[in-house]
Amino acid sequence: GENVEQHPSTLSVQEGDSAVIKCTYSDSASNYFPWYKQELGKGPQLIIDIRSNVGEKKDQRIAVTLNKTAKHFSLHITETQPEDSAVYFCAARSWNTGNQFYFGTGTSLTVIP
Amino acid sequence: KAGVTQTPRYLIKTRGQQVTLSCSPISGHRSVSWYQQTPGQGLQFLFEYFSETQRNKGNFPGRFSGRQFSNSRSEMNVSTLELGDSALYLCASSPLGGIDEQYFGPGTRLTVT
Repeated sequence: GENVEQHPSTLSVQEGDSAVIKCTYSDSASNYFPWYKQELGKGPQLIIDIRSNVGEKKDQRIAVTLNKTAKHFSLHITETQPEDSAVYFCAARSWNTGNQFYFGTGTSLTVIP
Repeated sequence: KAGVTQTPRYLIKTRGQQVTLSCSPISGHRSVSWYQQTPGQGLQFLFEYFSETQRNKGNFPGRFSGRQFSNSRSEMNVSTLELGDSALYLCASSPLGGIDEQYFGPGTRLTVT
C-alpha cells in the first residue's frame, strides 16, 4: 500500500513568518493530495487539496505544491497567525488501493505571538 | 449546509462490551468512511461505505464492522472491546468517494476501561 511520511513533527514559528510542512509518498498511482487542519477536540478540517494534474494551488495565505517526479508535496502558510496553531495532516489517495486515503503522522504547528 | 455529525461525542465502555457509533453525512453525500485516530498510530482507515455497500476495508480485525442505511447514515460497531480500542473515531463523508474531497465529523471519543 501507500506510505506517506510527513516532516517535521513539530514546528514553531513567530507570528508573521512562513511555515512549510513537507510530505512524501511512495505510490506513483496516488493522484489526490489533501491537507487537513485539526484543532484540539475537533475533527480534521480540509484546508486545501491538489490533484496530480496540477503543480501548485493557492488559497489566500495557504498554498500547496506537488512534485510528482520526486513524489513529494508541501504545504506553505504565509503571514502566520496564532489561530493557525493546530496539527496539520497530509494525505494521499491512490486508485491502486481502492481510492483509500493514507495519512501522514501530523505536524504540530505553534505560532508564537 | 450542515456538516458531518457524529453521536455520541464521548463514550466510556468496559472491556468485553460492544459499542455502536453513528454518523450522519453531509446532505447529498453518499460515501461514508470511518477512521480510528490514536496518538501512536495516527489516522487509520477502517472502511468505506457507498450506497449501503462496503466498498473498501482497512486492516482491522473482524470485531470492527459497519453498515450504511438507505439515507446514507452509517453506523460502526466494535464488539468485545479491548483497552487498545480507546481512540477518537472519525467519520468522513464525500459526494461519491473516489476522486471527491472528504469532510470529517468531530469524532466520537471512546474510552475503554
